Amino acid sequence: DTGVSQNPRHKITKRGQNVTFRCDPISEHNRLYWYRQTLGQGPEFLTYFQNEAQLEKSRLLSDRFSAERPKGSFSTLEIQRTEQGDSAMYLCASSFPSRPGGPSYEQYFGPGTRLTVT
Amino acid sequence: DQQVKQNSPSLSVQEGRISILNCDYTNSMFDYFLWYKKYPAEGPTFLISISSIKDKNEDGRFTVFLNKSAKHLSLHIVPSQPGDSAVYFCAASAAVSGNTPLVFGKGTRLSVIA
Repeated sequence: DTGVSQNPRHKITKRGQNVTFRCDPISEHNRLYWYRQTLGQGPEFLTYFQNEAQLEKSRLLSDRFSAERPKGSFSTLEIQRTEQGDSAMYLCASSFPSRPGGPSYEQYFGPGTRLTVT
Repeated sequence: DQQVKQNSPSLSVQEGRISILNCDYTNSMFDYFLWYKKYPAEGPTFLISISSIKDKNEDGRFTVFLNKSAKHLSLHIVPSQPGDSAVYFCAASAAVSGNTPLVFGKGTRLSVIA
């Protein structure tokens, strides 16, 4: 169990550029979540997948944001035409909703990708 | 409208004493509650959780208490250790009902003083 990994760990970009982040979940986890965290706030939900299906998107996920999980394994989050307000820590989490002994609702987080838009 | 509230931004506790972190929620649909610990430049680390059918869950030095009627939960850490110094987030979901995205509070920064 190598945990959730995210790449890159840091990204600095200029306003108007596109950026893409990658998340590799824990291998047996079939649910994958994206959250965003800004200074002084808790993480805020963006979207989540069960296998390759995107099941829910929050209102925070504007049209400039798109997420994919094409083979039900890793996921990418793309932000087009970045704005300074997109500067935040982008967190990925994964979970395995059922296991022997009963459901499990804990989500395990990666280290995050810190985005700075200048 | 904040559905999960952690009203104490910070807390200082002497090493060896009990740390009590509090959390209130407003959404009665929440049925699963979690505590996470976060160090700077790292993602949140899962600590302990509780389902709404229970009022207490214990794991080593960590105990979570849930008062459904008051929509309040608390995390007790005893004894507190300097390595416990971090930001603690309370999170809630309606996971048992099938709605699994987490709603987080703003966090409480715990400082354990040696």
